[in-house]
Amino acid sequence: GDSVTQTEGQVTVSESKSLIINCTYSATSIGYPNLFWYVRYPGEGLQLLLKVITAGQKGSSRGFEATYNKEATSFHLQKASVQESDSAVYYCALGLNSGTYQRFGTGTKLQVVP
Amino acid sequence: GPKVLQIPSHQIIDMGQMVTLNCDPVSNHLYFYWYKQILGQQMEFLVNFYNGKVMEKSKLFKDQFSVERPDGSYFTLKIQPTALEDSAVYFCASSFRESSAETLYFGSGTRLTVL
Repeated sequence: GDSVTQTEGQVTVSESKSLIINCTYSATSIGYPNLFWYVRYPGEGLQLLLKVITAGQKGSSRGFEATYNKEATSFHLQKASVQESDSAVYYCALGLNSGTYQRFGTGTKLQVVP
Repeated sequence: GPKVLQIPSHQIIDMGQMVTLNCDPVSNHLYFYWYKQILGQQMEFLVNFYNGKVMEKSKLFKDQFSVERPDGSYFTLKIQPTALEDSAVYFCASSFRESSAETLYFGSGTRLTVL
């Protein structure tokens, strides 16, 4: 079926170091996948970080970027230099053009330490 | 940015009772969603709603569940009767257009505990 996989439940990174959070997807239904990264800061609702709806394109926001890799069915989130304020839970999501809702991964909790 | 409000943030209820979760979506949005997340698991789609009707529901949306948005007020999820396995965090979301490529705006969730 259609699904999103995030393999890391929690990641700890030192401030100013680089980050990669993995996301792979499976889209077996008819329709083209649209890919999203959402972020949830403590006490808040999920909010969109970035989205890409065309294969091969890169999305970026707040220093984060992710490339829609159709061949590898991946949409990994990267940042060159993290800050303590980036500590949050990051969710990868998939929306199919043939569907009416988005599917979410299990989320990756990022902890940035000094 | 636009906000979705969920009331209450926590609810504790005895098994078999009825519970209503309330959501105040973004004011000009037309599509509404409920998702359910059990601790440590994925946030799973329950149902979406447009123009007064359910568009799609998942197998998690049991017969005991219902949704409505009377007169443009709160978008509600009602569970009657509740069961132990309904304990979870329920997230409401809204969007202006149908969500396959559209940004969803989420509330901060209602944690439901069924005893």
